[in-house]
Amino acid sequence: EAELVESGGGLVQPGGSLRLSCAASGFSVSANYMGWVRQAPGKEMEWVSVIYSSGTTTHYADSVKGRLTISRHNSKNMLYLQMNSLRVEDTAVYYCARLDIGVYWYYDLWGRGTLVTVSS
Amino acid sequence: EIVLTQSPGTLSLSPGERATLSCRASQSVINNYVVWYQQKPGQAPRLLIFGASRRATGIPDRFSGSGSGADFTLTISRLEPEDFAVYYCQQYGRSPTFGPGTKVEIK
Repeated sequence: EAELVESGGGLVQPGGSLRLSCAASGFSVSANYMGWVRQAPGKEMEWVSVIYSSGTTTHYADSVKGRLTISRHNSKNMLYLQMNSLRVEDTAVYYCARLDIGVYWYYDLWGRGTLVTVSS
Repeated sequence: EIVLTQSPGTLSLSPGERATLSCRASQSVINNYVVWYQQKPGQAPRLLIFGASRRATGIPDRFSGSGSGADFTLTISRLEPEDFAVYYCQQYGRSPTFGPGTKVEIK
């Protein structure tokens, strides 16, 4: 059965860095479009980033561009989100998700999320 | 950016009743790229409906989606105890956005 499990969240000071990991099982991350979605306390979910199956194409929300970097490790079947220059407004639960593409695009598999808290 | 508004914020119903959840977009959603997810506390979101009206694999037929343009609806024909959760709509256009969610709670 396909599953995604996030890890790496925690408390970090403003300006600090953190790397989130997402372990995939039951399917290959390299064969799929993968992404990160976050939800700040009391706010809507927000699309953060996507990496295409090619591995060479990535996209970011304007709010994180230049500070967050999505990547993957094919042989480990892992997805990552490197988070630098963190801001208080980056505080959120971060979800790893698989994107099904075709006629319709949608996230067909999600992890339970990992909480990132940016605070001094 | 397309803003999604969901109503009501909370729906208090009893098991067996019909639930009707609304998702309204600030502009027309191309190709009806609207998705519905269910989330329970501490769990991963679960895909229910994509393409506005297509049920995902394994989703019971009591869940149905409808709508087009900027107005979309998720209907649960008869609520089962496991259906009490938060439901989110999402549009997957050029820049995907999510609605704030509707909580379906037990009355």
